[in-house]
Parts: sequence; C-alpha cells; structure tokens
Amino acid sequence: DAGVIQSPRHEVTEMGQEVTLRCKPISGHDYLFWYRQTMMRGLELLIYFNNNVPIDDSGMPEDRFSAKMPNASFSTLKIQPSEPRDSAVYFCASSFRGETGELFFGEGSRLTVL
Amino acid sequence: AQSVTQLGSHVSVSEGALVLLRCNYSSSVPPYLFWYVQYPNQGLQLLLKYTSAATLVKGINDFEAEFKKSETSFHLTKPSAHMSDAAEYFCAVRGSNTGKLIFGQGTTLQVKP
Repeated sequence: DAGVIQSPRHEVTEMGQEVTLRCKPISGHDYLFWYRQTMMRGLELLIYFNNNVPIDDSGMPEDRFSAKMPNASFSTLKIQPSEPRDSAVYFCASSFRGETGELFFGEGSRLTVL
Repeated sequence: AQSVTQLGSHVSVSEGALVLLRCNYSSSVPPYLFWYVQYPNQGLQLLLKYTSAATLVKGINDFEAEFKKSETSFHLTKPSAHMSDAAEYFCAVRGSNTGKLIFGQGTTLQVKP
C-alpha cells in the first residue's frame, strides 16, 4: 500500500489567499484525521471523520478553516483567508478498527503564510 | 476527557545507555495508549501500542513500554540507545468509544556518541 498521501508537501502563500490541502487515506480505513503541528502548540487535532462523516470538529481554530470528505478516498482541509499564524505542518492520518487501531500518518504539508 | 503529559521536553543519553521517556495519562475510561516517533521532516510512525492485552508491550527497534494503572503511567524504554534513535517521541491516548487520539507535547531524544 502507498500509505497516506498528502499534497502539496510544501506551500508558500501570501496572507489572504485560499489554501487547500489534500489527503488520500489508506484504502479500507474508516477514520480520517487532520492534525496541525507547531513548535508552540505541538500536535493539535483539528477534525476527524468516521465513514466520511465529520465526528468532532472542536479543534478547528475558527470559521476560516473547513474540512470535507466527499468520499472514502479523499479529504480536503481549506483555509480561507489564510493568515501568518496558520503557518504550520498539517498532517493527515487514517486508521481502521476504531479506537484500538493505530493511526497511519502522511508526511505532512508544510504551510508558510507570508 | 483524555490527556497525556510527557515529563521532559528534551532527554539526552549516551550511545549504549538506557533510554527512559516518561508519559502519564489521564482518562476516565480504560485507555488505549500509543507511542509514536517522528524523524525530521517526516510523519509520525507507531512504535508500540497498549490495548489491554498485556501490560508490558514490545515495539519496534527494541523499544518497550509498561502500562501501570496505579501510577497512570506508560513510560517508554530501550536498553541501549543507538544514534539512529535520535528523534522526537510522542505519547498518545485514545479512550474507548472515541476515535480521538490525543498527543502529549513530545520529547526530543538526543543520543551522544
């Protein structure tokens, strides 16, 4: 299996622009997670889906952030408009078999907002 | 609600020495506990997990962790550090009936020659 695939790996944009991060989970996994990693705040769970349905989005910072999972093989995280404080590494992860299943992480999307 | 606390943001050991990374958890339900490792510019990889089958869990690269309910701890150990073990290590907790995996702040392990 190719693992969790994220794109782009690096994104540099200017404040106010729209950013879309993409994720393809491992085939057959029923959970998908979006995390954000910064030096100051560590790893934060933004939102997670179960069977394409958002279950908990309490970690989404504000309305500028939105996430979708239109089907089992694709998810997006969108930031509109972007701000410098959104600069971080965004990870997508997927898992199978509920709470005991390990999470498999993508390599992350490093976002820099100027 | 679940949470984890990793004691020590940086740990430095000599090559060949014992590695001990500390993790304490808080959970109102039986927890599932995980240790992940992150190498520079990479995603997280699972080292080992506790899912109530056995209190002493063995993982990859000779790492192991012991679940101690009385101490609410899940410390990670390795008998002999190798230079390639230098990385950031994260402890994480996931409660039953929830999909959320909550991470600690991470511990950076430095291995000196």
